[in-house]
Amino acid sequence: EVQLVESGGGLVKPGGSLRLSCEASGFTFSSFAMQWVRQAPGKGLEWVSSITSSSSYVYYADSVKGRFTISRDNARNSLYLQMSSLRAEDTAVYYCAVAISRGDGVFDFWGLGTMVTVSS
Amino acid sequence: DIQMTQSPSSLSASVGDRVTITCRASQSINNYLNWYQQKPGKAPKLLIYAASSLQSGVPLRFSGSGYGTDFTLTISSLQPEDFATYYCQQSYTTPRTFGQGTRVEIK
Repeated sequence: EVQLVESGGGLVKPGGSLRLSCEASGFTFSSFAMQWVRQAPGKGLEWVSSITSSSSYVYYADSVKGRFTISRDNARNSLYLQMSSLRAEDTAVYYCAVAISRGDGVFDFWGLGTMVTVSS
Repeated sequence: DIQMTQSPSSLSASVGDRVTITCRASQSINNYLNWYQQKPGKAPKLLIYAASSLQSGVPLRFSGSGYGTDFTLTISSLQPEDFATYYCQQSYTTPRTFGQGTRVEIK
């Protein structure tokens, strides 16, 4: 059974940093690209970042480029999102997601999410 | 970036009604269009992929259609458990943009 478990969320002050983790199980983690998608309170889904299976390529939404860094450790079956220079508008539930069986970019498995609150 | 626009933003319908949600892409995305259902406090769930393919375990009352820039999600007979927000998403290119969502309320 595919499982994605996010952690690392919490309350942080504007300008601060936070590192999110996503631990994966139930599939060959090293074979698949991984994504972060976020959802601000009461708002829609926003794709944040993705990383290819071997970390060769990373991609970011314009809203986080230069502030967030995605990475992965295939030996630990883990995905990370290092967030810095955090702003109030980064407040959201952050989900990790993966496209395993329905094609590239079709997110068939999601974690439960971890909440990040940026507030003074 | 490809912009995805859904309509309506919300709707209210009765159990048994046929419900249609539309999604328009700002440029052609062939059939790289997916639909997700999200219930309050839960992660999104894949319903439809490649515009018209039903994800495993999804009830047959859900269907999708369209190609190019215009797409439709249809619920043939709305059930109480279908109260949720529905999002379209393009997987044609990165960034994998989502529509703004359509909230379906049960009358």
